[in-house]
Amino acid sequence: DQQVKQNSPSLSVQEGRISILNCDYTNSMFDYFLWYKKYPAEGPTFLISISSIKDKNEDGRFTVFLNKSAKHLSLHIVPSQPGDSAVYFCAASAVPGGYNKLIFGAGTRLAVHP
Amino acid sequence: SAVISQKPSRDICQRGTSLTIQCQVDSQVTMMFWYRQQPGQSLTLIATANQGSEATYESGFVIDKFPISRPNLTFSTLTVSNMSPEDSSIYLCSVEGGTGNTEAFFGQGTRLTVV
Repeated sequence: DQQVKQNSPSLSVQEGRISILNCDYTNSMFDYFLWYKKYPAEGPTFLISISSIKDKNEDGRFTVFLNKSAKHLSLHIVPSQPGDSAVYFCAASAVPGGYNKLIFGAGTRLAVHP
Repeated sequence: SAVISQKPSRDICQRGTSLTIQCQVDSQVTMMFWYRQQPGQSLTLIATANQGSEATYESGFVIDKFPISRPNLTFSTLTVSNMSPEDSSIYLCSVEGGTGNTEAFFGQGTRLTVV
């Protein structure tokens, strides 16, 4: 049973445009959500996170939106750059106030082309 | 953020043998985590390793197959025992960190191929 789903295995976006990566979850106990970026032959790198008490968190070109009623979150990258080409993982945690095990989605491969 | 080093970065092993993966962190951490990423799949937590106690394994993973050591606050090992081709995966070490320890930092991973 996949508790965190990334239904788009790949996404292709033109440089300068917006990239929108989506993530759905089923466990209503999840209260902390994270996005990771992974390049080939490297470990995942933390990108941005959001707590369930918020509906938006912004960090530079990256914004994460959370819709708790729909159990949906999305990562917006504006403007997209070729260096953003990587696999993006959505992850969720059900332990309030601290880190514990993360449940990951299967990832979305983003390709930003000129 | 913590700097995490994993060894080896990759290996090709014969079925039936065992491989021990090392994870070294540049700072003391309470919890260390081992994940597996099978080809085309998401990252799945294998176990949580605390110093001074036995590792806690997730459903579907057992100590006989994936023994873990945690001798101190900066080091851990994961052994993949009696390997079969189904064990071919990327194995990742992770530690808690960030504000309120709500983030996880990962090593570069060990790409294991079992033939």
